[in-house]
Amino acid sequence: GQQVMQIPQYQHVQEGEDFTTYCNSSTTLSNIQWYKQRPGGHPVFLIQLVKSGEVKKQKRLTFQFGEAKKNSSLHITATQTTDVGTYFCAGPGTSYDKVIFGPGTSLSVIP
Amino acid sequence: EAQVTQNPRYLITVTGKKLTVTCSQNMNHEYMSWYRQDPGLGLRQIYYSMNVEVTDKGDVPEGYKVSRKEKRNFPLILESPSPNQTSLYFCASAHAGGLETQYFGPGTRLLVL
Repeated sequence: GQQVMQIPQYQHVQEGEDFTTYCNSSTTLSNIQWYKQRPGGHPVFLIQLVKSGEVKKQKRLTFQFGEAKKNSSLHITATQTTDVGTYFCAGPGTSYDKVIFGPGTSLSVIP
Repeated sequence: EAQVTQNPRYLITVTGKKLTVTCSQNMNHEYMSWYRQDPGLGLRQIYYSMNVEVTDKGDVPEGYKVSRKEKRNFPLILESPSPNQTSLYFCASAHAGGLETQYFGPGTRLLVL
């Protein structure tokens, strides 16, 4: 069946270092979303990418959708302690109404 | 304030004792969904609903029931809970035309003994 994978599963960085998480789908996606979940919190929508090769920026966060629309990445420049949390990618499942999430990348930032 | 609410937030129960987790949203969203979150597995969709009286199975529907009698409410029912249903549950809602932007509730942590 359809799978969405993310690497790495965990990442520990020193504050100020950069961070990247990668999302890979077994099928082509019409769109992809990124969510952030703070420890003890709930997922919060960050952004959606729709076009092949699309790149979007939100301050220190850069999101990219692959040319084949099967992979995506989230890059954080100069991490801060406020970036701590788990980052999930998500996309449409086997039917439009379904949603499939990746397993997430947990980011720890050492001050 | 626009929000998704869930109750209870924490629940400890025993195997076989029926329980209901309520979910309500005040954003007039058509789409509502339930997820369970387990370590290393991310969020897995249990059931979803595109509108009143319309529900569909997600990827892990076994052992769960839902109903959508009103637009704002989408309760999750465990008729006979088992220990493997111990998990963190999230309800989410979205506009039908914007399923990609889901708003999540605060979560319900369930322990089945």
